[in-house]
Amino acid sequence: DVKVTQSSRYLVKRTGEKVFLECVQDMDHENMFWYRQDPGLGLRLIYFSYDVKMKEKGDIPEGYSVSREKKERFSLILESASTNQTSMYLCASSLWGPDGYTFGSGTRLTVV
Amino acid sequence: KQEVTQIPAALSVPEGENLVLNCSFTDSAIYNLQWFRQDPGKGLTSLLLIQSSQREQTSGRLNASLDKSSGRSTLYIAASQPGDSATYLCAFLFPPEETSGSRLTFGEGTQLTVNP
Repeated sequence: DVKVTQSSRYLVKRTGEKVFLECVQDMDHENMFWYRQDPGLGLRLIYFSYDVKMKEKGDIPEGYSVSREKKERFSLILESASTNQTSMYLCASSLWGPDGYTFGSGTRLTVV
Repeated sequence: KQEVTQIPAALSVPEGENLVLNCSFTDSAIYNLQWFRQDPGKGLTSLLLIQSSQREQTSGRLNASLDKSSGRSTLYIAASQPGDSATYLCAFLFPPEETSGSRLTFGEGTQLTVNP
């Protein structure tokens, strides 16, 4: 089975801190995605990547950046965490073509 | 812009009941449809994947159908159990748009509660 592993289930960070959320997939998928999920707003795409060192903005990229130095790893970076970035963050991966997405178990981030 | 709508937003049923969750979409040019389950505070678990050329998929007590002509998909759960309580999301993979690659578009989800 494809596995997408997010390094932390729960994180608590202070306002202004630099935060790294890590995601690793083990099935050689080309595509990787970061979403955030908030009550009443559903899942919103932050950034995605189709290849190593490539990145594209999703619907809500402001306040975030990403890094993909290796095919299996996709990192989401909050340069200066703010309270409005408190959310559930979900990583996903997929192959090119019409196959499905596989999601990680999520990271619940609280910024205080 | 593609839109995906799920109804109802919430559903509560007694154990053993058969039930149907609905999902509608506005653009029939899809690559595939995926149904996910999400337990509180957890990630998304893929339940069923239907390719554009297929009409339905089955896994155990679950059956998902796709009707592109009417812009609808349904998830049928037979003999529901309390362990089925979760939020169910449908998601469509549409072809790339001019300014973005192919991306998954989600419905808002249906929160299902199965009462013992």
